[in-house]
Amino acid sequence: EADIYQTPRYLVIGTGKKITLECSQTMGHDKMYWYQQDPGMELHLIHYSYGVNSTEKGDLSSESTVSRIRTEHFPLTLESARPSHTSQYLCASSETNYYGYTFGSGTRLTVV
Amino acid sequence: AQTVTQSQPEMSVQEAETVTLSCTYDTSENNYYLFWYKQPPSRQMILVIRQEAYKQQNATENRFSVNFQKAAKSFSLKISDSQLGDTAMYFCAFMRYNNNDMRFGAGTRLTVKP
Repeated sequence: EADIYQTPRYLVIGTGKKITLECSQTMGHDKMYWYQQDPGMELHLIHYSYGVNSTEKGDLSSESTVSRIRTEHFPLTLESARPSHTSQYLCASSETNYYGYTFGSGTRLTVV
Repeated sequence: AQTVTQSQPEMSVQEAETVTLSCTYDTSENNYYLFWYKQPPSRQMILVIRQEAYKQQNATENRFSVNFQKAAKSFSLKISDSQLGDTAMYFCAFMRYNNNDMRFGAGTRLTVKP
């Protein structure tokens, strides 16, 4: 079944650790996005990609980086996690603007 | 820049009743899309309904319908015959025709009570 997958669902790590949040989609969508979502707050775009080897930063200043080597894979990396990175991270993809986004289930990250 | 405002942080409704969630947005664009997304607790965010700005007719999907007032920049969601499974966060979102960046409101937490 075509879908978008995020792993892990939950992650608790110590300050200073390097982590990678995985996102994969099986729909062949060119456009992929990473959003940060805090409780009771709107989603903030942190990175997006319009295709292989294309990545851009979003509105929210982020210390994370992304890569897009394959169409289906869009991982997000934090080189040195801090407690301020504690949040939920949502990955999404889209085919055309008309259809909106398809979202993954999210990764809830806690940095202690 | 486009902004999306959801003025109701939390709402509740009795099962089988009707509830309306409010959303306003600010844009100078004439052509755009509007969306309502549903995010159940600890589950995937899914699309509920979409509206194209050039269409005057309000979109409807089963028990979900919108009241799109373009001049007022208002896009409310009506849920009829509310069910327990409708309990979720609901996000209003805006996207321009020629831009892939979707803007979200802060969400409304809806609780359907038995």
